[in-house]
Amino acid sequence: DIQMTQSPSSLSASVGDRVTITCRASQGISNYLAWYQLKPGKVPELLIYAASTLQSGVPSRFSGRGSGTDFTLTISSLQPEDVATYYCQKYNNVPFTFGPGTKVDIK
Amino acid sequence: QVQLVQSGTEVKKPGASVKVSCKASGYIFTSYGISWVRQAPGQGLEWMGWISPYNGNTNYAQDLQGRVTMTTDTSTTTAYMELRSLRSDDTAVYYCAKTSGGSRDWGQGTLVTVSS
Repeated sequence: DIQMTQSPSSLSASVGDRVTITCRASQGISNYLAWYQLKPGKVPELLIYAASTLQSGVPSRFSGRGSGTDFTLTISSLQPEDVATYYCQKYNNVPFTFGPGTKVDIK
Repeated sequence: QVQLVQSGTEVKKPGASVKVSCKASGYIFTSYGISWVRQAPGQGLEWMGWISPYNGNTNYAQDLQGRVTMTTDTSTTTAYMELRSLRSDDTAVYYCAKTSGGSRDWGQGTLVTVSS
């Protein structure tokens, strides 16, 4: 099975900073990658699908790039409400494995 | 609007089974797969498996094979996830999600606690 890794595992940044999270697949998955935001006590929220398509209603400060094995999620200007854990997920074929997550908080 | 409404909190003893339901509405139930995902306390999201309500095809995570069964009832547009031989490390919030190129719509989550 394809393994998903994320880096860093956690980060702390200031409001307004640009933040980038990396997700790597152990084999190529084309652009079959989604990004989710998960806040404590809440349901996962889909941010990005097809590696770079912004889900309707998601703020434009979120963006995704990549194809094949290497992907990034960028928050262009970190806001207090962005404190959460972010997960990538492959969906080219089963299993639809999640990455281990990246916890983002405010410095 | 799409809604996925899950059954309520469960407390089970080790070795028991649990069956969580997920009632779907607001879309054509047989047109989209349903994934099941769980999050144990302090842990990340874990994909458990997927079912096609159209034909009942399933795919399960390798480490749950033999303990998990996912089914659907198209007459009531409800999906079910049964997990057997429960262990303490099965304690988690369990989610169903409508799946098509990622999962946009999720159930509210069902807390399953396994404790003696």
